[in-house]
Amino acid sequence: AQKITQTQPGMFVQEKEAVTLDCTYDTSDQSYGLFWYKQPSSGEMIFLIYQGSYDEQNATEGRYSLNFQKARKSANLVISASQLGDSAMYFCAMREGAQAGTALIFGKGTTLSVSS
Amino acid sequence: DADVTQTPRNRITKTGKRIMLECSQTKGHDRMYWYRQDPGLGLQLIYYSFDVKDINKGEISDGYSVSRQAQAKFSLSLESAIPNQTALYFCATSNAASGSPEQFFGPGTRLTVL
Repeated sequence: AQKITQTQPGMFVQEKEAVTLDCTYDTSDQSYGLFWYKQPSSGEMIFLIYQGSYDEQNATEGRYSLNFQKARKSANLVISASQLGDSAMYFCAMREGAQAGTALIFGKGTTLSVSS
Repeated sequence: DADVTQTPRNRITKTGKRIMLECSQTKGHDRMYWYRQDPGLGLQLIYYSFDVKDINKGEISDGYSVSRQAQAKFSLSLESAIPNQTALYFCATSNAASGSPEQFFGPGTRLTVL
């Protein structure tokens, strides 16, 4: 079974609109971490946001927020006020276990296209 | 200067050739990783190293080997390249001691095996 599931191969949004990218995960660990990375067409991997399993509040970083619903095992990325530069591939990833620095398990990604 | 560098950035090789991809980091991190990205499959872990003497296989290690020459250097080798190893390869680093969860990625190496 997949550990990270991103069910939206592609999403389309207009500038200034908000968009939610879905991510569900599967783990039996009590301690884990959830990440979102952005990959523009140039190919580099850009870290966006992190949520620890014991964090009580949803993580936020500027226009990015992570809607963490532990009981549903979902960690959706919300991008507010989309910009043309947000067009990219977005990956959800998980670190299992409590120790920082453990290897990540990635989903297959969602391609976001922002139009003017 | 980039904190995590990968060489070469692009490489075209032929089936059966041995090839080495190199990764260097100036972040002082103890942990280093090699991932492979195929279209539509996200990133998959090939090998990881928690320090110079601690190297571990990831989920797709067959056909690959690694060497951690120093804390700052982690090389990935394809002993006998085959076409289905054509992919984008990423090196990444992290620092367990800092408690920071983030993994820092290099720019990637695009490998084509003909």
